[in-house]
Amino acid sequence: DVKVTQSSRYLVKRTGEKVFLECVQDMDHENMFWYRQDPGLGLRLIYFSYDVKMKEKGDIPEGYSVSREKKERFSLILESASTNQTSMYLCASSLGRENEQYFGPGTRLTVT
Amino acid sequence: DQQVKQNSPSLSVQEGRISILNCDYTNSMFDYFLWYKKYPAEGPTFLISISSIKDKNEDGRFTVFLNKSAKHLSLHIVPSQPGDSAVYFCAASGSRLTFGEGTQLTVNP
Repeated sequence: DVKVTQSSRYLVKRTGEKVFLECVQDMDHENMFWYRQDPGLGLRLIYFSYDVKMKEKGDIPEGYSVSREKKERFSLILESASTNQTSMYLCASSLGRENEQYFGPGTRLTVT
Repeated sequence: DQQVKQNSPSLSVQEGRISILNCDYTNSMFDYFLWYKKYPAEGPTFLISISSIKDKNEDGRFTVFLNKSAKHLSLHIVPSQPGDSAVYFCAASGSRLTFGEGTQLTVNP
């Protein structure tokens, strides 16, 4: 079974703080993704990576950056957290670019 | 520009009846479609998929129908069970996955 784990289930941060969200997958998948889920907006792609040290902007990259130093790990960074980044953050991985994606349990981030 | 749309935010059905969840897309380059199911406080899990060369795919109680000319797909769940209550996302694949907004399905005992 594919396992995607995320470092925290719940996180509360203050405005202006730097926030790191970690994601690890154990199936040697090439591709990893970060989404945020908001009511009525579905899953929106923030960043993705098709290989180590490679990153591509998704649909809503503003205010975020990512790091992929190792194949199994993909980190999402909020350089200076703002209240509009309060959301559910979901990490996913897949074997091929068009293959089904496997999701982690999500991190509920609240920025106050 | 929402390329994948689920126009019904919610759907309520009785246990044992059929649930039909709908999804429309605009990009004719999409060639693979998926449905995901999401329970609260969990990540989405893959449910069923269909390639654009097919018009139907069935897996147990779940059937996905694809109408390419209408750019429409639907997920049928029959018979519906209370454990099916969840948010359902459709997704379309071109170079990457694009998700719809989700539909909250509630199956009442």
